[in-house]
Amino acid sequence: AQSVAQPEDQVNVAEGNPLTVKCTYSVSGNPYLFWYVQYPNRGLQFLLKYITGDNLVKGSYGFEAEFNKSQTSFHLKKPSALVSDSALYFCAVRALKGYSTLTFGKGTMLLVSP
Amino acid sequence: GAVVSQHPSRVICKSGTSVKIECRSLDFQATTMFWYRQFPKQSLMLMATSNEGSKATYEQGVEKDKFLINHASLTLSTLTVTSAHPEDSSFYICSATAGVNQPQHFGDGTRLSIL
Repeated sequence: AQSVAQPEDQVNVAEGNPLTVKCTYSVSGNPYLFWYVQYPNRGLQFLLKYITGDNLVKGSYGFEAEFNKSQTSFHLKKPSALVSDSALYFCAVRALKGYSTLTFGKGTMLLVSP
Repeated sequence: GAVVSQHPSRVICKSGTSVKIECRSLDFQATTMFWYRQFPKQSLMLMATSNEGSKATYEQGVEKDKFLINHASLTLSTLTVTSAHPEDSSFYICSATAGVNQPQHFGDGTRLSIL
């Protein structure tokens, strides 16, 4: 069975500071990893994905994520946070081979203070 | 690109009413569409997976006769909540993907409130 853990319910950071939202996963075989963001009363917006290649993946709105196979992690990062980044962030995983549905983490609320 | 439109965005109706929610991929053909339910401050719970022209695959514990899914074309899937009751009140979100190794793209969700 595949699973995703987002250990922090909430991350607080001041505007202009770097941010990290943590994600670890468990999956059979190689993973296909995603980050999505959700604003209030909206669906999820795709930020970035990792399939193969460079461990550092760049995505939308200045976000990036680092894939670490040995630690089975895929932490989301941004060098300088904006107040408008405040939202709910979901990490998701599925097995790369074959077809399996996405498994989402429980989400991490990011609050960026002015 | 990769826009998914979901309608309506909000529904308020009386108990016993059936409610239909539409999910359309506007600029790509969706081989597979997914329906999720999200409870407040919780993650998405997959309800069912639908492929165009075939029956939907429901997750364990989801009543297929309660939540009717039709995927009539490569750009449209509908979820009908039949004889809705207050416990069906929730945020329903659809997503669509163009292929197995493509990201899922999500609609903006439907807030369903049953009085």
